[in-house]
Amino acid sequence: DAGVIQSPRHEVTEMGQEVTLRCKPISGHDYLFWYRQTMMRGLELLIYFNNNVPIDDSGMPEDRFSAKMPNASFSTLKIQPSEPRDSAVYFCASSFGSFYGYTFGSGTRLTVV
Amino acid sequence: QQPVQSPQAVILREGEDAVINCSSSKALYSVHWYRQKHGEAPVFLMILLKGGEQKGHEKISASFNEKKQQSSLYLTASQLSYSGTYFCGTEDFGNEKLTFGTGTRLTIIP
Repeated sequence: DAGVIQSPRHEVTEMGQEVTLRCKPISGHDYLFWYRQTMMRGLELLIYFNNNVPIDDSGMPEDRFSAKMPNASFSTLKIQPSEPRDSAVYFCASSFGSFYGYTFGSGTRLTVV
Repeated sequence: QQPVQSPQAVILREGEDAVINCSSSKALYSVHWYRQKHGEAPVFLMILLKGGEQKGHEKISASFNEKKQQSSLYLTASQLSYSGTYFCGTEDFGNEKLTFGTGTRLTIIP
């Protein structure tokens, strides 16, 4: 398996623009997680899905953030409009469930200028 | 609430041992440990479930004291490849998600 695949690897955008981050989880994993990593706040959970259904989105900073999982092999995280404070590395991770570890994608480094 | 790790950073010479601690204010169901190298994604090391078990992975092992809501990661005879930032991730009862700790930066020097 190719692991968790994220795209793009790097994204530089201007404030106010829409940004879409993409993730393909490992086949067979029922859980998909979106995390954001910054120096100040560390690794923060934004939202997670179980069998394509959003379970907990309490970590989504505000209405500018939205996430979807239309099928078992694809998820998106959208920021609209983007702001400089959204600059971070965004990781997608997938897992079989509570007794198993997470496999992280390579991450998307987002810079909003 | 984010679990607290200690120490925040440690520098070791190759071959020395290290202990990294993770403490939570919540009753825990499980504890995960991950290592992240600079510019890379976190990589899963091991999971410990409630029951106080200790697990090993070559020269890296961990323990979980559920009564104290604490876990410790032990690195023995450290190698250069052990350098990186170590994170614990905790799962409390009723939640299927991990909350990651503050991280411990480990530097191994020759």
